[in-house]
Amino acid sequence: GAGVSQSPSNKVTEKGKDVELRCDPISGHTALYWYRQSLGQGLEFLIYFQGNSAPDKSGLPSDRFSAERTGGSVSTLTIQRTQQEDSAVYLCASSPGGAVTGELFFGEGSRLTVL
Amino acid sequence: SQQGEEDPQALSIQEGENATMNCSYKTSINNLQWYRQNSGRGLVHLILIRSNEREKHSGRLRVTLDTSKKSSSLLITASRAADTASYFCATVLSGYSTLTFGKGTMLLVSP
Repeated sequence: GAGVSQSPSNKVTEKGKDVELRCDPISGHTALYWYRQSLGQGLEFLIYFQGNSAPDKSGLPSDRFSAERTGGSVSTLTIQRTQQEDSAVYLCASSPGGAVTGELFFGEGSRLTVL
Repeated sequence: SQQGEEDPQALSIQEGENATMNCSYKTSINNLQWYRQNSGRGLVHLILIRSNEREKHSGRLRVTLDTSKKSSSLLITASRAADTASYFCATVLSGYSTLTFGKGTMLLVSP
């Protein structure tokens, strides 16, 4: 009965390095979202996967950000050549059918600190 | 720009008092959802109200939606210290499948 699992919980990296953040959604959930939350701010939408459809990448802030979802399950968010402004908590959420139909279930997030 | 804007940004009350948070949005929605966040980590869903609904209840929570004014309110009755958290409203715009969040209201409930 696991919820949404994210790893790592915390990541400290140096500017210019690449990082990968992982999200393991609730089994059977077809929808998966990535959000970013900077200190004291609301959540900023990054990317949305729904089943086998092409992902909605409209929230990705630059081409340094990419994400994939393998086999309709686990997702990886990759940030290349990290910058200090990338420091934030990255939150993943999954849902049985997407936000139109119901609630999102969030993981605990991955806190990224870029030095 | 933010679709949902919460008001107030911060609210401090005593245990037993009621807490009211408001949310305004700009464009037509499919539904509006309220979430709670403790300590800046994972969010927990509280309640969802659809565009054709006006009021919903869940335990000590009451949510209203006024689509003519493009606004919603979250009422927490008989607040407890454990209700201390940040509360976010989020909207699903008509024709879209993503949730757009406001910046949240920080609620502090003192014993």
